[in-house]
Amino acid sequence: SQELEQSPQSLIVQEGKNLTINCTSSKTLYGLYWYKQKYGEGLIFLMMLQKGGEEKSHEKITAKLDEKKQQSSLHITASQPSHAGIYLCGAANSGNTPLVFGKGTRLSVIA
Amino acid sequence: GAGVSQSPSNKVTEKGKDVELRCDPISGHTALYWYRQSLGQGLEFLIYFQGNSAPDKSGLPSDRFSAERTGGSVSTLTIQRTQQEDSAVYLCASSPAGGVDTQYFGPGTRLTVL
Repeated sequence: SQELEQSPQSLIVQEGKNLTINCTSSKTLYGLYWYKQKYGEGLIFLMMLQKGGEEKSHEKITAKLDEKKQQSSLHITASQPSHAGIYLCGAANSGNTPLVFGKGTRLSVIA
Repeated sequence: GAGVSQSPSNKVTEKGKDVELRCDPISGHTALYWYRQSLGQGLEFLIYFQGNSAPDKSGLPSDRFSAERTGGSVSTLTIQRTQQEDSAVYLCASSPAGGVDTQYFGPGTRLTVL
């Protein structure tokens, strides 16, 4: 079965700094999803990537998909305290199966 | 519009009791998923409903777990004879048509089994 590995597991950055979170799949990706979760809350959808080389941005968050490497990266520019939370990547390894999720990256942003 | 809602938000129960968790998906979404999130374990798929098809139950950890979806909308996840290892956050998600459609998650139900 497909496995997703996220790195780093946790990250502490100073406000205003840039950061990158990676998600690597053990199998071919049919769709890669990034979600954000705050403690005690559900998952908030950020972005979905499907095609190799695809890049999407939402405010200061950019995600890219490298199909050959079976990897996606999430980049946050000029981090803010509001970016703090757990970032989860999820992937589908075929067209009609539930998502498999990584274990998440816990991001803390300090002033 | 309204998102996915779940109830209760918190449930504390004694070992051996049965519990029912409810999920109201986004109106019009044909696919509904249940996941479990345990400390340090990440999200674990439990069961998937798509339209009128037979549900994919491959993720249910034991026969104490069951789920149904009535009228293609509301879903109930039932855990019988709860055990302490069932303590987790149970998350429900829905998507417009399943497949690779984006899943939208509810806030979850935090279950604590004493």
